[in-house]
Amino acid sequence: TQLLEQSPQFLSIQEGENLTVYCNSSSVFSSLQWYRQEPGEGPVLLVTVVTGGEVKKLKRLTFQFGDARKDSSLHITAAQPGDTGLYLCAGPGANSKLTFGKGITLSVRP
Amino acid sequence: GAVVSQHPSRVICKSGTSVKIECRSLDFQATTMFWYRQFPKQSLMLMATSNEGSKATYEQGVEKDKFLINHASLTLSTLTVTSAHPEDSSFYICSARGTTNYGYTFGSGTRLTVV
Repeated sequence: TQLLEQSPQFLSIQEGENLTVYCNSSSVFSSLQWYRQEPGEGPVLLVTVVTGGEVKKLKRLTFQFGDARKDSSLHITAAQPGDTGLYLCAGPGANSKLTFGKGITLSVRP
Repeated sequence: GAVVSQHPSRVICKSGTSVKIECRSLDFQATTMFWYRQFPKQSLMLMATSNEGSKATYEQGVEKDKFLINHASLTLSTLTVTSAHPEDSSFYICSARGTTNYGYTFGSGTRLTVV
C-alpha cells in the first residue's frame, strides 16, 4: 500500500509570511498532484509534478518533486487569507486509484 | 477544461430513506469514476471505483448493498445511499478520469445529512 504523509497537519500563520509544507512517502510515484479544497467544495487541482526534481510555479506557490519521486513540497510566498484551505497531495496507484495524504489545514490570518 | 457536475450539493433525508447522487462529466468521456467520502477536517476516503458498463469495485469495509453505484454511460455515474442512517451523514465527492494521462476531475461534492 502506497502511503502519503503530509506535514504539518495544521498551520496557522499571519498574512505575509512564507511557509513550506511537505508530502512524503516511502514509495515511488509516477506523479504527484496537489489539490486545495475549501469547506463544502470538491478538491481543485493546483499542479501535477511528473519528473524527479521538477519545480513548478503557480503565482506565489512553488511545487517541487523530489529527485527520487517519493516526496514533494509546496512553498507559499507572502501568504494571503485567500490561501486558507485544506491542501491535499495525491498520487496514482494500482488501477489508477488516487492515494491521498491526510491533508494540511492552512489558516492565514489577516 | 474538464468539468464534472455533481448534484445535489446538499440533501437532507429522513432515516430509512434512499438518496441518489449524480455525477456527470460535461465535456469529456469518463471511463472511470471514483466515489469518495470525507468527514470534517479529514482527507478523502475512496469508497469505490467504477468503469463504464462494469460493476463497481468497492474498497474494503464499504458495504456494496448500501452504497449502490451505477456507471451506465461514459458521462454519468450515480451513487445511491440506501436505507440511510445518521451515521451515513457525510460529504460525498465523485471524481472522473478520462483518457488523458493525469486527469482526475472532481465534482463539487454533496453534503448528506440524515435526520
